[in-house]
Amino acid sequence: TQLLEQSPQFLSIQEGENLTVYCNSSSVFSSLQWYRQEPGEGPVLLVTVVTGGEVKKLKRLTFQFGDARKDSSLHITAAQPGDTGLYLCAGTLRSGGYNKLIFGAGTRLAVHP
Amino acid sequence: DTGVSQDPRHKITKRGQNVTFRCDPISEHNRLYWYRQTLGQGPEFLTYFQNEAQLEKSRLLSDRFSAERPKGSFSTLEIQRTEQGDSAMYLCASSVGGYNEQFFGPGTRLTVL
Repeated sequence: TQLLEQSPQFLSIQEGENLTVYCNSSSVFSSLQWYRQEPGEGPVLLVTVVTGGEVKKLKRLTFQFGDARKDSSLHITAAQPGDTGLYLCAGTLRSGGYNKLIFGAGTRLAVHP
Repeated sequence: DTGVSQDPRHKITKRGQNVTFRCDPISEHNRLYWYRQTLGQGPEFLTYFQNEAQLEKSRLLSDRFSAERPKGSFSTLEIQRTEQGDSAMYLCASSVGGYNEQFFGPGTRLTVL
């Protein structure tokens, strides 16, 4: 069982549509990051959220951290083919004296022209 | 380019051979991490260095795996007597603390035949 559950696993939409992906856990995180990963490449950091209820915007992407810091969402407005990729959420847990980053399995997004 | 770099990008080896991967972190980052990622999954933590000290190792890291960061700068990950189950993308990340924002390299794709 994944500590961080991401949904949906796959999403295939047309250019111009809006979408939301979710990241849920029963654990409380001190911070949460969203990454985007292209095939054959490493994850690229998009945003970090720290405070419960925090909302951050990055152009057409809106990230929200849940009030209890257990969950997060990513909303994309007017998706474009360039948004295609694997979206990973990762939460920070304190473990053994160090801040451990736990990843979800990701949401694979395909945006068709 | 001042990002995290990894070498080689791809490695194909025969079962039983030893392989070594290199990671060069962002220069001012004192924290370095190794992860493994298999198809359809998010990155899984392997090990963590703060400067030259290896402070955390995952149970995923069997005795065949060893990692070093001799001068607190670049790091190497060696896998001895490779097995087909070792086939994966090996990712390196670095950070400088704060909210545990980790910056990833492009990864080394290992294929064990």
